[in-house]
Amino acid sequence: DADVTQTPRNRITKTGKRIMLECSQTKGHDRMYWYRQDPGLGLRLIYYSFDVKDINKGEISDGYSVSRQAQAKFSLSLESAIPNQTALYFCATSDVGGYGYTFGSGTRLTVV
Amino acid sequence: GENVEQHPSTLSVQEGDSAVIKCTYSDSASNYFPWYKQELGKGPQLIIDIRSNVGEKKDQRIAVTLNKTAKHFSLHITETQPEDSAVYFCAAPRGSTLGRLYFGRGTQLTVWP
Repeated sequence: DADVTQTPRNRITKTGKRIMLECSQTKGHDRMYWYRQDPGLGLRLIYYSFDVKDINKGEISDGYSVSRQAQAKFSLSLESAIPNQTALYFCATSDVGGYGYTFGSGTRLTVV
Repeated sequence: GENVEQHPSTLSVQEGDSAVIKCTYSDSASNYFPWYKQELGKGPQLIIDIRSNVGEKKDQRIAVTLNKTAKHFSLHITETQPEDSAVYFCAAPRGSTLGRLYFGRGTQLTVWP
């Protein structure tokens, strides 16, 4: 099994719908992150969590929310999806020092 | 300006040649510089990293160099092979706050046989 598992792998949704992307990890790490990837823009940080009780906004948190249900689980929600949220979303985890991110395989989200 | 700038955005080389990708960062307090490789349909994977107390690190055909004075670091791939074709990302933390990595925009490397 993969160290970081994201579900779903692909999703097409309509404008205005609520959608949740899920992430679970088996690394035993406290730190988890959500990034968004757009062509030519690299990876941009949406939210991050350093432990179960810690949630922080990243560079581009508007329109997104997160929930850290357990050490191993970190979900990303789009409360009302819009077309410019069409992107590839990655979850990652790292050790307490912040070194060596491990990424999931990504969720390709299309908002129509 | 951007926290991390990466150049070039695309790079094509002949198999066996070397490839160099460069990144600059803005915060002089940054102290950790990883490089990630992303193959098609997959998430980025750490290939090499360097901490600010050393100037160079090698791992087989891959090396990273760091110039703290100029605030730039580079990825060097020697004897390139077609399987090196991928998107490469550099990253750096803002200051010494590890865990919040800022990524460059990526370099699409194509190695022609």
